[in-house]
Amino acid sequence: GAGVSQSPSNKVTEKGKDVELRCDPISGHTALYWYRQSLGQGLEFLIYFQGNSAPDKSGLPSDRFSAERTGGSVSTLTIQRTQQEDSAVYLCASSFRIGDEQFFGPGTRLTVL
Amino acid sequence: DAKTTQPTSMDCAEGRAANLPCNHSTISGNEYVYWYRQIHSQGPQYIIHGLKNNETNEMASLIITEDRKSSTLILPHATLRDTAVYYCIVRVAVSNYQLIWGAGTKLIIKP
Repeated sequence: GAGVSQSPSNKVTEKGKDVELRCDPISGHTALYWYRQSLGQGLEFLIYFQGNSAPDKSGLPSDRFSAERTGGSVSTLTIQRTQQEDSAVYLCASSFRIGDEQFFGPGTRLTVL
Repeated sequence: DAKTTQPTSMDCAEGRAANLPCNHSTISGNEYVYWYRQIHSQGPQYIIHGLKNNETNEMASLIITEDRKSSTLILPHATLRDTAVYYCIVRVAVSNYQLIWGAGTKLIIKP
């Protein structure tokens, strides 16, 4: 299993609840990226990590969204007080270095009722 | 990053070559052309990229016009498993980590 993995694959939650989405990048990849994809749309960049730091958080749509990465490996995207407009597929990708080809995980489909 | 324009959808017969066009008329001299595809319910998959020379790998060929304002992704012998949305993206390699995604081309391979 050398690919990027994400969990859960599907998450259904009620409006106002908090959710955590997890990403396990490819071992040895220093860069990690989070994207969001709404139905029928291209990907929307959210945030990237170089090691454990996130130099650019400009893509996060609101302060309800946060992300962290520990040990230069696993990353967690947290959405607080979820809203219906947060419903989307959240994709994680990793690359060996910034700018290298990005390898994507299968995504987490989030549905906010 | 430069904006790209792709047809919304295309059909291709199984076993034939699928040619997917992309316009990127505002591309800068240091911007690369990248292609990814996304099979239904999966994450995107890298296919190929190039700067100005034509490129070929085990998946596809990339033909870039001399003025670099457009390119074509060629799948030489399309199979049903090639049915996917294909995204053409231009980016500055190394310095720009963001991939700016359009809506892509929905390619349907028909038996």
